[in-house]
Amino acid sequence: DIQMTQSPSSLSASVGDRVTITCRASQSISSYLNWYQQKPGKAPKLLIYAASSLQSGVPSRFSGSGSGTDFTLTISSLQPEDFATYYCQQSYSPPRTFGQGAKVEIK
Amino acid sequence: EVQLVESGGGLVKPGESLRLSCAASGFTFSTYTMNWVRQAPGKGLEWVSSITSSSSYIYYADSVKGRFTISRDNAKNSLSLQMNSLRAEDTAVYYCAREAYSSSLAYFDYWGQGTLVTVSS
Repeated sequence: DIQMTQSPSSLSASVGDRVTITCRASQSISSYLNWYQQKPGKAPKLLIYAASSLQSGVPSRFSGSGSGTDFTLTISSLQPEDFATYYCQQSYSPPRTFGQGAKVEIK
Repeated sequence: EVQLVESGGGLVKPGESLRLSCAASGFTFSTYTMNWVRQAPGKGLEWVSSITSSSSYIYYADSVKGRFTISRDNAKNSLSLQMNSLRAEDTAVYYCAREAYSSSLAYFDYWGQGTLVTVSS
């Protein structure tokens, strides 16, 4: 199975900050990488698919990059509604494994 | 509007069975691969199982293989997860999720609200 490792596991940031979360795959997964946002008590929400494609309706302050084994989710200017947990997921092969999550908290 | 509504969760004892359902609407259910994803309390997301549109291909996580069975009824726009021999570690919120594609790249674009399964004596 492909293992997905996110870093950091948690971070504290202020409104307006630029935030970067990384995700590393245990083997090359090309661009088969998705990012989700989850708020407490809610279902995950798709943000980015295919490593860098923004899902419809998602604000442009979210962006994704990378290919192969190393990927990045960037929030260019953190907004109050962005405090949440973010998960990467590989869809290169079953099982469609997720990273352990990165919690973005208010500083 | 795409909607996925899970049901069937509840409190069961170890070793017992439970059947989850996911009612789909607002899209052509029969053309999409569907998935179950779970989240233990305070933990991350764990993919559980997937089934292709015509049920030709079915996959399971190692943690549930041999105990859980995924199925679908395209005539009723319904996805199911039969869970047998339940263990305490199966306690989680279970989500159904639709799998969409961009070229060959898959992603889960719609999720249900989840149903809680608690396994405890």
